[in-house]
Amino acid sequence: DVKVTQSSRYLVKRTGEKVFLECVQDMDHENMFWYRQDPGLGLRLIYFSYDVKMKEKGDIPEGYSVSREKKERFSLILESASTNQTSMYLCASSLGGERNTEAFFGQGTRLTVV
Amino acid sequence: GENVEQHPSTLSVQEGDSAVIKCTYSDSASNYFPWYKQELGKGPQLIIDIRSNVGEKKDQRIAVTLNKTAKHFSLHITETQPEDSAVYFCAASKFDDMRFGAGTRLTVKP
Repeated sequence: DVKVTQSSRYLVKRTGEKVFLECVQDMDHENMFWYRQDPGLGLRLIYFSYDVKMKEKGDIPEGYSVSREKKERFSLILESASTNQTSMYLCASSLGGERNTEAFFGQGTRLTVV
Repeated sequence: GENVEQHPSTLSVQEGDSAVIKCTYSDSASNYFPWYKQELGKGPQLIIDIRSNVGEKKDQRIAVTLNKTAKHFSLHITETQPEDSAVYFCAASKFDDMRFGAGTRLTVKP
């Protein structure tokens, strides 16, 4: 089974802090994604990566950056956390190669910025 | 970019009744349409998907229909059970770029 693991289930950070959310997948998937989930807004794409060191902006990239130095790991970085970034963050991966297949999700990280 | 709209946002049915969730998409190049179920405290999991060369797909109590001309697709759950209670998301994807609807919270009353 594909496993997507997010490093933390819950995080509490202070305004202005630099925050790292880590995600690892174990199935050699080419694509990795970061989504943000808010009530009534569904899953909104922040960034995705289709290869190591490659990244594409999603719908809401402002205030975020990403890093993909190794194929299995995709990090989301909040450069200076703000209270409006309090949310559930979901990482996902998919096979890639434009084969357009299902995405596998991690359990999510609930981030609270105070 | 792709815009996916999903309705209704909440749906309550009696056990044994059917439930229907509808989605529309904007980009005619989208060609893969998965549906995900998210239970409390978990990440979304795929329950069924359909590709643009197929009009309907069924898996036991779950079915999905796709109308490419109208750019809408629907999830049908028959004989609902309390364990079907969850949040359901539709998505539309092209070239691996997957965008989601806002979700539907389905409650099945025993």
